[in-house]
Amino acid sequence: GQSLEQPSEVTAVEGAIVQINCTYQTSGFYGLSWYQQHDGGAPTFLSYNALDGLEETGRFSSFLSRSDSYGYLLLQELQMKDSASYFCAVLSSGSARQLTFGSGTQLTVLP
Amino acid sequence: DSGVTQTPKHLITATGQRVTLRCSPRSGDLSVYWYQQSLDQGLQFLIHYYNGEERAKGNILERFSAQQFPDLHSELNLSSLELGDSALYFCASSGGGGTLTEAFFGQGTRLTVV
Repeated sequence: GQSLEQPSEVTAVEGAIVQINCTYQTSGFYGLSWYQQHDGGAPTFLSYNALDGLEETGRFSSFLSRSDSYGYLLLQELQMKDSASYFCAVLSSGSARQLTFGSGTQLTVLP
Repeated sequence: DSGVTQTPKHLITATGQRVTLRCSPRSGDLSVYWYQQSLDQGLQFLIHYYNGEERAKGNILERFSAQQFPDLHSELNLSSLELGDSALYFCASSGGGGTLTEAFFGQGTRLTVV
């Protein structure tokens, strides 16, 4: 099966940098994704890592270490609108593809 | 707009009843995933269909079933509803069978069981 762990809550101030960690256990790993969800809204895709290393997309970066079964999402120059829940998700490999989400990290950005 | 359409947006029904939630994936996407999100909870994977065939099953109750039709739309059937089934139900779609680097979510169906 698959399981993911991420912190339940993170608080930071505007303009700061925050890192949300995710560790996973999976039988067959294909890649790690990150999604953002504002209250009551649909999750939206932020980033995807299949290989080790850092992927940068504007203010957001995502990192993966396959050997450590670990990844993180880095948010820079935080803005109030970044207050949301952030989910890491593992895509399992093989014919039985399954996209399994962590329980989410609620990020609160303070003025 | 993600291109994924879910209907209805809201549904209120009584315990013991049966409902059907519908999902139309993005044009060209062959995979449809269903998720349940209870209040302040994460996204619980229910089931994955690819091109009409069931590919993976998560923690889906026996009272729940799903299918994907030849036109690729999918339906999630929930029966013998209980109060605890009240939740947001999302479907997501993604590109054909190879890599899934991005899943597109619909706006969800908010189910309230009273």
